[in-house]
Amino acid sequence: EVQLVESGGGLVQSGGSLRLSCAASGFTFSSYWMHWVRQAPGKGLVWVSRINSDGSSPTYADSVKGRFTISRDNAKNTLYLQMNSLRADDTAVYYCTRTMNPGGWFDPWGQGTLVTVSS
Amino acid sequence: EIVLTQSPATLSLSPGDRATLSCRTSQSVGSYLAWYQQKPGQTPRLLIYDASNRATGIPARFSASGAGTDFTLTISSLEPEDTALYYCQQRNDWPPTFGPGTKVEIK
Repeated sequence: EVQLVESGGGLVQSGGSLRLSCAASGFTFSSYWMHWVRQAPGKGLVWVSRINSDGSSPTYADSVKGRFTISRDNAKNTLYLQMNSLRADDTAVYYCTRTMNPGGWFDPWGQGTLVTVSS
Repeated sequence: EIVLTQSPATLSLSPGDRATLSCRTSQSVGSYLAWYQQKPGQTPRLLIYDASNRATGIPARFSASGAGTDFTLTISSLEPEDTALYYCQQRNDWPPTFGPGTKVEIK
């Protein structure tokens, strides 16, 4: 069974940092592009970042560029999101998800981890 | 970026009713549109991809159609477990973008 399990969320002050992790199992992690998508409380889904299968090509939404860094460890089947200079509007549930190719469909999704930034 | 609009915002129907959800994109996305279901307190799940293809394990009562800028998700006969938010998403242009969602409530 394909599983994606996020961790690392929590409460952090504005300007602070947090690192999220996503542990993958049940599939060949190194063959997939991986993504982070977030959902602010009561709001819709917003794509945040993606990384290619070997980790050499990260891409970011304009709203997080320069502050967030996506990375992966294929030996550990784990995806990361380093979040720096956090702002109140970064408050959201962060989901990791995968695609077969750069622009594929998101399937499946992890259960999410909540990041709360206090101002 | 491509903007997606969904209507109606909320749909309140009875079990067995037919639900029709609409998604419009600000520019053509061809058939590069998906639908996701998010039940209360749960994670999003892929329902439909490439505008009209059901994802693995999705019941046949879910169907979808459309191309270009106008798309429709139909639930032929609502079940109580279909209570959820339904989001459309395009991948024709970068970045991928989602609609604001349609909430389906079962009376």
